Amino acid sequence: EIVLTQSPGTLSLSPGERATLSCRASQSVSSSFLAWFQHKPGQGPRLLIYAASTRATGIPDRFSGSGSGTDFTLTISRLEPEDFAVYYCQQYGNSPQTFGQGTKLEIK
Amino acid sequence: QITLKESGPALVKPTQTLTLTCTFSGFSLTTSGVGVGWIRQPPGKALEWLALIYWDDDQRYRPSLRSRLTITKDTSKNQVVLTMTNMDPADTASYFCARKDSFGPGTFDHWGQGMFVTVSS
Repeated sequence: EIVLTQSPGTLSLSPGERATLSCRASQSVSSSFLAWFQHKPGQGPRLLIYAASTRATGIPDRFSGSGSGTDFTLTISRLEPEDFAVYYCQQYGNSPQTFGQGTKLEIK
Repeated sequence: QITLKESGPALVKPTQTLTLTCTFSGFSLTTSGVGVGWIRQPPGKALEWLALIYWDDDQRYRPSLRSRLTITKDTSKNQVVLTMTNMDPADTASYFCARKDSFGPGTFDHWGQGMFVTVSS
């Protein structure tokens, strides 16, 4: 199965700053079937990005995704207070679909 | 508005069978391309996909857990049920159900809030 490695494990930033989260796959992800989720305590994960770079319905344009093959990036252009959460990448092009271990974005 | 909610026992004993129910609204599991899946997250670990059932009753399972899992649907009740046999303390986790739209994002676009299941004697 494809292993997804996210970095950094924890990212400490202030509101207004730019966040760059990385997701690296152990083998090429089919057709860029790579998604990003935001997860807050007590809630289900929220789909942010699919197909590597397409924003899901209702997601603000400060969230953007890029990458292909084995290297993918989630960028949050200007952090809002509600953006501090855990972020997961997921590949859904190869079975079984797999998730990264997460990046915790915390307030500095 | 699409909602999903997980229900079932919060505590099961080792070797017992876990039965979880996902009750959903705002969409139909008879619509082409739609599926409902189960994903879990042990404390401090990554999310792990378990099983998925589609509108046409096609069922998919995580290969490493295939022998222990069964997923079914009841479209009249808007429910999907997951059973997992021979529970072990290592199965202690938050369990989520989620909708997949193959003709939309192609992955899980709406999730329940999850429920925590403890496996302990």
